[in-house]
Amino acid sequence: GESVGLHLPTLSVQEGDNSIINCAYSNSASDYFIWYKQESGKGPQFIIDIRSNMDKRQGQRVTVLLNKTVKHLSLQIAATQPGDSAVYFCAARREDSSYKLIFGSGTRLLVRP
Amino acid sequence: SAVISQKPSRDICQRGTSLTIQCQVDSQVTMMFWYRQQPGQSLTLIATANQGSEATYESGFVIDKFPISRPNLTFSTLTVSNMSPEDSSIYLCSVDWGNSYEQYFGPGTRLTVT
Repeated sequence: GESVGLHLPTLSVQEGDNSIINCAYSNSASDYFIWYKQESGKGPQFIIDIRSNMDKRQGQRVTVLLNKTVKHLSLQIAATQPGDSAVYFCAARREDSSYKLIFGSGTRLLVRP
Repeated sequence: SAVISQKPSRDICQRGTSLTIQCQVDSQVTMMFWYRQQPGQSLTLIATANQGSEATYESGFVIDKFPISRPNLTFSTLTVSNMSPEDSSIYLCSVDWGNSYEQYFGPGTRLTVT
């Protein structure tokens, strides 16, 4: 079946450095992806999305890159701040449904002062 | 985006009892979903809450255990029935307006079953 996986369960970065969180997906037909940020005790927060007709999309301090050839996407956070500490999930639209998502396992980002 | 609220935010329940979780959105939405997030884990879709009809359950989840209501386009409930300690999780509702695939989540309900 379809799956979405993150490469590292934990990523530790120095404050001010750039962070890169990676995600792989199994279904080459996947055409929509979302990155979520989940802080402790809160629900997942929508960060940025990307459709398969794009390779790159930028938001405020965040960039998502999509490589359909190797079925890989990444979330880049520029100038990482302590407030960026959270668990980050990537999600892909399920092939069997327009609106259902399948989630990866999550990467915990730790920001060192 | 909209304001999505859930009640209760957390609860501690005894084995064998049931808990109903409410999800309220401040605008009408097309799709509402219920997820479970076990401690330290990712999100698993329980079901799609359909307005005016029975919910659509994912594999491994059944209506007798997780009855869902959705009486209108802004409100849904999830009941966790006959609870056991294995039901201890965060339960999250999410919404989609149907004009894109963007999905937004409520704050979650943290359930502990003793």
